[in-house]
This record gives sequence, structure tokens and C-alpha cells, in this order.
Amino acid sequence: RKEVEQDPGPFNVPEGATVAFNCTYSNSASQSFFWYRQDCRKEPKLLMSVYSSGNEDGRFTAQLNRASQYISLLIRDSKLSDSATYLCVVNEGYKLSFGAGTTVTVRA
Amino acid sequence: NAGVTQTPKFRILKIGQSMTLQCTQDMNHNYMYWYRQDPGMGLKLIYYSVGAGITDKGEVPNGYNVSRSTTEDFPLRLELAAPSQTSVYFCASRSLGGTEAFFGQGTRLTVV
Repeated sequence: RKEVEQDPGPFNVPEGATVAFNCTYSNSASQSFFWYRQDCRKEPKLLMSVYSSGNEDGRFTAQLNRASQYISLLIRDSKLSDSATYLCVVNEGYKLSFGAGTTVTVRA
Repeated sequence: NAGVTQTPKFRILKIGQSMTLQCTQDMNHNYMYWYRQDPGMGLKLIYYSVGAGITDKGEVPNGYNVSRSTTEDFPLRLELAAPSQTSVYFCASRSLGGTEAFFGQGTRLTVV
């Protein structure tokens, strides 16, 4: 079983729509969780950390469910500039384990 | 503010050749990582280091070697390049206790 699994998508949504997707992780001892964004042929960059109580950053909301070992990301009022691949990342001590990514395309 | 710098950005190797991918960070980070990313796939950890003189294998270390003689530098060595090593290679660093990992711009390697 992969350490981090994501719905690969692609999610193709119109501008202004809400899109949400999940990520599951296998190691119950995982310590912290993140969403990274990766644009085509570019390096990943941190989008937001994910806290147990859930957290928002503008139009982005992240949730963590430790009991079921999943993380979610919701994007409200999608913009064309949100088109990217979103990587779920799990911190296990020194290591960062990456999911394969969920591709989101926002169309005009 | 350079951050993490990788060289070269692109390289074509012939089967059996060797090369070193360079990675330097100027943020005084303890942790450094090498990942590879195949098309449509996630990042797979090759090697990592928790400080100068300390390295350890990740998920896919075969065919690679690393060294960490200084805090700043973490080169990745490919010996006897094979077509299966065609990939995009990312170096990253993170501070002790830090949350965010900073990535270099990647090295696109093709082995023919």
C-alpha cells in the first residue's frame, strides 16, 4: 500500500465553482500534513499546512481527520490561476512523503 | 535570496555515463532531500540527509549515491546511467523543526 494516496483527477471545473478532493495516508504516526501546489514542469511550493482543527487560507480550506487518516482540500470560487497539480504531503519525522497529485483545471 | 539552487537544469546522458547533480542551499537548513518525479507520478525519495556527514536511503536509492560534506551542499551522483533514470530530479531543504520544504527548480535528465 502506498504511504500517501490521492484521487488523481483530473478535475475540470468552471470558474467560480467549488472543487474538493481527498488524500489518505497509511502511517498513523504521521506528525504533520501539508498541501503543496505544482505548476506544469515547475517545482512544488507550499500551499498550506493542515491542522487538526481545520484551517482556511483565503479561498482554500484544509481538513484533517486523524481517525480515518485522510486530509482534504477545498477550493472555493475557483480562478483560472488555480489550475495546477495539488500534492498531499505527510511528514514522518525526517521524511516528507508525497502523493502523486490531484490535477485541477479551471476553465473560463 | 537564492534558496535552493540546482545545476544543471537539463542534461542528456548516454547509457553507462556518469554525472553529478549539484544542489546548494543558502538557508542553513539541516535537512536536505533528493527526489525524482516521473511523468504523471508523485515525488519519490532517493536519499536524504539530516546534517553534514549524515545521509540515508529513501525509497529508490539504487543507482545513486550522495554525500553531505557541508551544510550547504548535497550532490547526487549517478553511476552507469540507465534509461530508467530518465526523470526530473528535485533537491529540497528544510530547517530543523520547520514545516516548509523549499525546492530547487529541478534537473531534467534524459538517458539515451
